[in-house]
Amino acid sequence: GQQVMQIPQYQHVQEGEDFTTYCNSSTTLSNIQWYKQRPGGHPVFLIQLVKSGEVKKQKRLTFQFGEAKKNSSLHITATQTTDVGTYFCAAATSGTYKYIFGTGTRLKVLA
Amino acid sequence: DGGITQSPKYLFRKEGQNVTLSCEQNLNHDAMYWYRQDPGQGLRLIYYSQIVNDFQKGDIAEGYSVSREKKESFPLTVTSAQKNPTAFYLCASRPAGGRETQYFGPGTRLLVL
Repeated sequence: GQQVMQIPQYQHVQEGEDFTTYCNSSTTLSNIQWYKQRPGGHPVFLIQLVKSGEVKKQKRLTFQFGEAKKNSSLHITATQTTDVGTYFCAAATSGTYKYIFGTGTRLKVLA
Repeated sequence: DGGITQSPKYLFRKEGQNVTLSCEQNLNHDAMYWYRQDPGQGLRLIYYSQIVNDFQKGDIAEGYSVSREKKESFPLTVTSAQKNPTAFYLCASRPAGGRETQYFGPGTRLLVL
């Protein structure tokens, strides 16, 4: 079945350093979504990527969708303590309402 | 988030007991989902429903059951057949269409006594 791998599993950074998490699928994706989950909270939608090679930015966050639509990345520039949480990708294949979530990357930011 | 409510926030289950987790949404969304999250882990799909009176198994449906009698409601029953039910259960909904985002409820933490 379809698998979505996300790396790294954990990342500790000093405040002000950059952070990147990667999401890789074994199959071609229709679209990919990114979510953030604060400790003790529920996932909150960040962004959706649909087109091959698409790049979207939200302030300090940059999201990319690979040319082959099998991988994606989230990059945070100059991390802040408010960026703490777990970042998940969620992948969907064509013709389905079903999403497969990556294992998540837990980010800790040291002040 | 927003128009999705889950109750209770915490639920305790005794061995051999069935328990039902509630999920209600007032967003007029067609599709609804149940996920299970274990500590430090990602989300795994239990069941999902695209329309009323229809639902499909996800990756870990064994030991769980659902119903979708109303568009607004998608309750999940954790049966006694689920031997390791302790987890954080998240309900989500989304509008019809192939590329719509999911909106999550606040979750229910289930603990076994």
